[in-house]
Amino acid sequence: ETGVTQTPRHLVMGMTNKKSLKCEQHLGHNAMYWYKQSAKKPLELMFVYNFKEQTENNSVPSRFSPECPNSSHLFLHLHTLQPEDSALYLCASSQGTGSYEQYFGPGTRLTVT
Amino acid sequence: KNQVEQSPQSLIILEGKNCTLQCNYTVSPFSNLRWYKQDTGRGPVSLTIMTFSENTKSNGRYTATLDADTKQSSLHITASQLSDSASYICVVSVENFNKFYFGSGTKLNVKP
Repeated sequence: ETGVTQTPRHLVMGMTNKKSLKCEQHLGHNAMYWYKQSAKKPLELMFVYNFKEQTENNSVPSRFSPECPNSSHLFLHLHTLQPEDSALYLCASSQGTGSYEQYFGPGTRLTVT
Repeated sequence: KNQVEQSPQSLIILEGKNCTLQCNYTVSPFSNLRWYKQDTGRGPVSLTIMTFSENTKSNGRYTATLDADTKQSSLHITASQLSDSASYICVVSVENFNKFYFGSGTKLNVKP
């Protein structure tokens, strides 16, 4: 679990708040991912970054704004969220995109009130 | 439509028993299939990854099989332990694209 860290682990925010989720990987990987995991639903891929460049945006609403300043750090900026955005947000990294194994962080449990 | 379906949705077994989880997919063109274990409140951890040419892959007490013709995979857990209680997720990726399709998972509960 120390390979990919996420902060905070839990977050409660109102619909008018602005907050950010942080992910850091210590594995020397080049690709990083954001996933959303809602109760009883499959993991949903949100964004993919490879060498700091966004390569995938899976039709994610603009109230979610990712930022990848370098290959080790990934942020997810949140603003004007809806209650249905409450979920576990998982970050992952891999050596590259495609068939490389992904290593997941512990996730941030987000509750939007 | 690319889909991954897992069964059963949930399963309860006694410690020491074996069990088999199923994953059927319609993803094409197929690249690889992975099984992940996700403990409650934690991120998924990879158990196995199989490409088109691999039929079986083991990781300790976990054995995954793949039939690329029928597009089915199974995860067999031998001599279950309490620590096997978790959700098991099947993920299929598309060849040449950075696309992954996730199953909804099977929630396994191993009881003493």
